Amino acid sequence: GAVVSQHPSRVICKSGTSVKIECRSLDFQATTMFWYRQFPKKSLMLMATSNEGSKATYEQGVEKDKFLINHASLTLSTLTVTSAHPEDSSFYICSARRQGVDYGYTFGSGTRLTVV
Amino acid sequence: AQKVTQAQTEISVVEKEDVTLDCVYETRDTTYYLFWYKQPPSGELVFLIRRNSFDEQNEISGRYSWNFQKSTSSFNFTITASQVVDSAVYFCALRENNFNKFYFGSGTKLNVKP
Repeated sequence: GAVVSQHPSRVICKSGTSVKIECRSLDFQATTMFWYRQFPKKSLMLMATSNEGSKATYEQGVEKDKFLINHASLTLSTLTVTSAHPEDSSFYICSARRQGVDYGYTFGSGTRLTVV
Repeated sequence: AQKVTQAQTEISVVEKEDVTLDCVYETRDTTYYLFWYKQPPSGELVFLIRRNSFDEQNEISGRYSWNFQKSTSSFNFTITASQVVDSAVYFCALRENNFNKFYFGSGTKLNVKP
């Protein structure tokens, strides 16, 4: 149980276009999901916390207009990288918190974004 | 300040050697959670272990063992008789009680050579 699916696993897009990444909790409901970014050979940094039915909470330094987060249902959160630039190339990984389970955090398999 | 420090950037060992990955954390919370994750080249984070701050009992799971010492704020991870399949980046992480946020260390890349 507690599987989080992330799609796509890899995406290449042209500079200036937008790309959407999906994070789905497959067998549980997640009122809260998290989006992390990992730079090459670096740690994972929390970008934002996504709450179902409300606006996401962004970490300091993260552009909310560039990284649009939508959490429209209890099983789906999306991250849209708008007007992507090569510097947005990174590994993005989501995490979902299982309701009612204190330490029930499950990570997705990640999305490798390359902007050319 | 870094909440989680993994001082070892990269470690190389030969198969069957034991290896210890260090993790030092910093928090003012009395209740917190510590984690180790494995990230193979494919990128996904594989959960290895979670420890609560009030449970300092060390744990062994097969070839893996963890040494949690609150006195030194350390949560070290040892792989016994390493195997090539253990090659990956290992992350130590901290979650404080009142927050959902995970603080990750910078990771230690383990190379196990045959």
